[in-house]
Amino acid sequence: DTEVTQTPKHLVMGMTNKKSLKCEQHMGHRAMYWYKQKAKKPPELMFVYSYEKLSINESVPSRFSPECPNSSLLNLHLHALQPEDSALYLCASSQSSGGRNQPQHFGDGTRLSIL
Amino acid sequence: AQKVTQAQTEISVVEKEDVTLDCVYETRDTTYYLFWYKQPPSGELVFLIRRNSFDEQNEISGRYSWNFQKSTSSFNFTITASQVVDSAVYFCALVHGQNFVFGPGTRLSVLP
Repeated sequence: DTEVTQTPKHLVMGMTNKKSLKCEQHMGHRAMYWYKQKAKKPPELMFVYSYEKLSINESVPSRFSPECPNSSLLNLHLHALQPEDSALYLCASSQSSGGRNQPQHFGDGTRLSIL
Repeated sequence: AQKVTQAQTEISVVEKEDVTLDCVYETRDTTYYLFWYKQPPSGELVFLIRRNSFDEQNEISGRYSWNFQKSTSSFNFTITASQVVDSAVYFCALVHGQNFVFGPGTRLSVLP
């Protein structure tokens, strides 16, 4: 069992829907990450939160909106997505992101399909 | 620019064979970190090892071993006596500061 929990595991949505992906960790980690992974590709960083503040946004389109309500939770709000946004979305956490040399602990991911 | 190359896209071995996954990196920095992660079919990436650029000691953990050679900018990963449960995609990654670069991954299939 992973120590980072992501829900839902699978999500199918239309391009006009609004949905949210959720991520939770109880390891006391202060850095949390969202990655997007297309098939047969490595994960691509989307966002980094450090001490509940957004520290990195890798030029992600505004149809993806991250939120960090507290140090254990990370959400990704989705709105008006495109078919090319279909991918595996991975959440990760680490002790800190002062330097990204800390091992990251990943969740199982949410497999997102946009119709 | 930082770059990680995993030249082997896919490898198939028969159970109990030894297999080495190659990782070659490029960086101009003297201080950096190297990682290996395993991604089984279930999706989550599992942290395997972290090595900093000042520690060239090879490491062994059970059936896993890592060979870090700064002279050739390589950080290769060997699985001894492979098992079916080792089947996964393995990613090598390079970290310096806020930059985190994954290699393209190597898909390992261990056949019974």
